[in-house]
Amino acid sequence: QQQVKQSPQSLIVQKGGISIINCAYENTAFDYFPWYQQFPGKGPALLIAIRPDVSEKKEGRFTISFNKSAKQFSLHIMDSQPGDSATYFCAASRARGVTSGSRLTFGEGTQLTVNP
Amino acid sequence: GAVVSQHPSRVICKSGTSVKIECRSLDFQATTMFWYRQFPKQSLMLMATSNEGSKATYEQGVEKDKFLINHASLTLSTLTVTSAHPEDSSFYICSADLGGDTQYFGPGTRLTVL
Repeated sequence: QQQVKQSPQSLIVQKGGISIINCAYENTAFDYFPWYQQFPGKGPALLIAIRPDVSEKKEGRFTISFNKSAKQFSLHIMDSQPGDSATYFCAASRARGVTSGSRLTFGEGTQLTVNP
Repeated sequence: GAVVSQHPSRVICKSGTSVKIECRSLDFQATTMFWYRQFPKQSLMLMATSNEGSKATYEQGVEKDKFLINHASLTLSTLTVTSAHPEDSSFYICSADLGGDTQYFGPGTRLTVL
């Protein structure tokens, strides 16, 4: 059962444009929503994260928009650069358990290409 | 801060041999460590969750006798792929959390089984 659905699968954007990646979740117990960036052959790196008590969070060129009623959240990359070309994963987790820790459920990933 | 390392970064082994991958949290004590595998152009698949000093919790469909996890200390977890076969070839990634919600990922280990 895929609990976090991510779209699009791939995205091509021109330099300076806005990249938008969307995710939808099913489990209303999720209360933490991070985005990870992964370059080929490397581990994922945390970009930005949000909790359901706010509708938007911005860090530099990266913004998360969160719609609790629709159970959707999205990543916006402003002024996209060729160096942003990577795979992006959304994820979700619920309150950590004693043995489960911060167990993440990942989306399928979006391959972003920013053309110069 | 919150750096996670893995060793080795790449390993090639013959079918039938066992391979050990180490995951270390370098500048923090990890409450929980996680092991994932990732196939090309796919998402991360959680294999198991481990807490120091206790047995790992494996995800459904993951053979615990094949993928042995030892969480010996608050800074070290190991994954041993026993009797490896070509279908075990994958990118193995560990992560750790500090007791909060954020997971910090290692750089990954590329396993190739010939």
